[in-house]
Amino acid sequence: LAKTTQPISMDSYEGQEVNITCSHNNIATNDYITWYQQFPSQGPRFIIQGYKTKVTNEVASLFIPADRKSSTLSLPRVSLSDTAVYYCLVGDVNTGGFKTIFGAGTRLFVKA
Amino acid sequence: DAMVIQNPRYQVTQFGKPVTLSCSQTLNHNVMYWYQQKSSQAPKLLFHYYDKDFNNEADTPDNFQSRRPNTSFCFLDIRSPGLGDAAMYLCATSRLLKGSPVETEAFFGQGTRLTVV
Repeated sequence: LAKTTQPISMDSYEGQEVNITCSHNNIATNDYITWYQQFPSQGPRFIIQGYKTKVTNEVASLFIPADRKSSTLSLPRVSLSDTAVYYCLVGDVNTGGFKTIFGAGTRLFVKA
Repeated sequence: DAMVIQNPRYQVTQFGKPVTLSCSQTLNHNVMYWYQQKSSQAPKLLFHYYDKDFNNEADTPDNFQSRRPNTSFCFLDIRSPGLGDAAMYLCATSRLLKGSPVETEAFFGQGTRLTVV
């Protein structure tokens, strides 16, 4: 499974757009990129998943460049409730051996 | 409605006394995972079931065992809990079809916080 590298922490203010970048230099051809959010004392929650280019849902956007060696999670107009840890995961969804394995994550702190 | 349910939310056990944590799901997913998460750390995968096939992570201690009697239920057994096993234990499920590109969103329960005294 491809190893991921993210910033340990980030600070932002309410109303700002936050971009969290994840490096996955040894991503394999079949690997998808998935992001999860985790609040204290809760299980992680799926945010978004993509393979290439851009994916957008009601919560976030995911930008993946052509070489797929990195990805950027974009959170528009964050609020205090977006303070959480964000995990980037890379894995092959097709092998049956896909395992949701978490890297260190990025702790986002949104200030008023 | 809760889709992955873990019981209990909080569990206190004595050092060395076997303890079982429970997980049930209403999603009919074929994959179930158990994770251990210690304070300020990422969840660490202990093992997972793909259907009935058990897959143990190489660094999961023998002290941790699991059972999956049917699709809906999965149990984590800690045979002799030590102080270092105090953590949040997370159960998750996902649907996976071999050879088919499908959404692999994993659904997590609220977790069971285990205290060892």
